[in-house]
Amino acid sequence: GAVVSQHPSWVICKSGTSVKIECRSLDFQATTMFWYRQFPKQSLMLMATSNEGSKATYEQGVEKDKFLINHASLTLSTLTVTSAHPEDSSFYICSARPGLADTQYFGPGTRLTVL
Amino acid sequence: GQNIDQPTEMTATEGAIVQINCTYQTSGFNGLFWYQQHAGEAPTFLSYNVLDGLEEKGRFSSFLSRSKGYSYLLLKELQMKDSASYLCAVSVGGSGTYKYIFGTGTRLKVLA
Repeated sequence: GAVVSQHPSWVICKSGTSVKIECRSLDFQATTMFWYRQFPKQSLMLMATSNEGSKATYEQGVEKDKFLINHASLTLSTLTVTSAHPEDSSFYICSARPGLADTQYFGPGTRLTVL
Repeated sequence: GQNIDQPTEMTATEGAIVQINCTYQTSGFNGLFWYQQHAGEAPTFLSYNVLDGLEEKGRFSSFLSRSKGYSYLLLKELQMKDSASYLCAVSVGGSGTYKYIFGTGTRLKVLA
């Protein structure tokens, strides 16, 4: 149980285009989903927390107009990187939290490369 | 502010024991997690400490001292497959608003 999927697993795009990443909890309802970014040889950095049906809460320094997060249902959250630039190239990982438990289950991650 | 520190890199020999430290200063604390992460993959859960003391799980043990803002992960009988990054993460926030702040991560290299 507690499986989280992400799609796509990798994407290459041109500078200036937008990219959407989906995160799904497959066998549980996720009251909260988290989006992280990880640069090479660095740790995970929390970008934002999203709760179903409400606006995402962004961490300091993360541009909410550039990284659009939508959590339309209890099993799906999406992250859209708008007008992507090479510096946005990174490994994006989502996680999902079931109910009120203090735990999270990670998706497999999405490797974004912006040319 | 939130500050969670770990050594950047460690090297150990197959069959040995290694201790990876994590010190934290966070606004709030619910518990501390340890994860293992291989390159290009998502983190996998290793342990969760809420109370002070040692939690043992097979070859891996994790210790927490809340008063000192300190934790360590102890890996015994090291195997080559243990070469990976190890991340500690602190849970902060209230019951309905948990979020997780990750430490800087420790890259462990196990040598034959």
